[in-house]
Amino acid sequence: GDSVTQMEGPVTLSEEAFLTINCTYTATGYPSLFWYVQYPGEGLQLLLKATKADDKGSNKGFEATYRKETTSFHLEKGSVQVSDSAVYFCALSDFRNDYKLSFGAGTTVTVRA
Amino acid sequence: GAVVSQHPSRVICKSGTSVKIECRSLDFQATTMFWYRQFPKQSLMLMATSNEGSKATYEQGVEKDKFLINHASLTLSTLTVTSAHPEDSSFYICSARRTGGTGELFFGEGSRLTVL
Repeated sequence: GDSVTQMEGPVTLSEEAFLTINCTYTATGYPSLFWYVQYPGEGLQLLLKATKADDKGSNKGFEATYRKETTSFHLEKGSVQVSDSAVYFCALSDFRNDYKLSFGAGTTVTVRA
Repeated sequence: GAVVSQHPSRVICKSGTSVKIECRSLDFQATTMFWYRQFPKQSLMLMATSNEGSKATYEQGVEKDKFLINHASLTLSTLTVTSAHPEDSSFYICSARRTGGTGELFFGEGSRLTVL
């Protein structure tokens, strides 16, 4: 079945550092790909998404490009802030599976001032 | 728009009691809602798919009689943890798909259940 593998954490960075969280997927079709963010004590929020190959999702300085050839959707941000400290989840969904989301294990990111 | 609210956000109960968690879509109609469970430092595990007006579809390994799901209207789904035990302590999150939408899911804030 469809699955997502993302980089294990935790990741600790200094403010203004560059952040990359790797995410690769396995799918039989052409899924939509997502990054969700979970701030401490809160539910998940959609950070960005891409629905087809070569699409780039972006939001709040974060970017991820849907790479079909490498089955990847790596999350990047050029200069992180303390407020970016959160757990980040890569996920995919496919209409063949009734749009159910399959999540990666999550990566905890801590940004120090 | 597209706000999903869960209630309660935190609940503590005694072992053997039942707890109901509500998931509401506040400004849209949701034919389908999903219930997830999240263990500490782990990803979300899909428990069941809740469809308005019909029985929920449970994922493999999830006890139907333990986790009762009711989706009585287009804006409300409830999860009842029956005869709760300490191992049921977890973070429960719901998500809702807007009726007629693109398939995007909107998540509630989550409900932290602690069973003593």
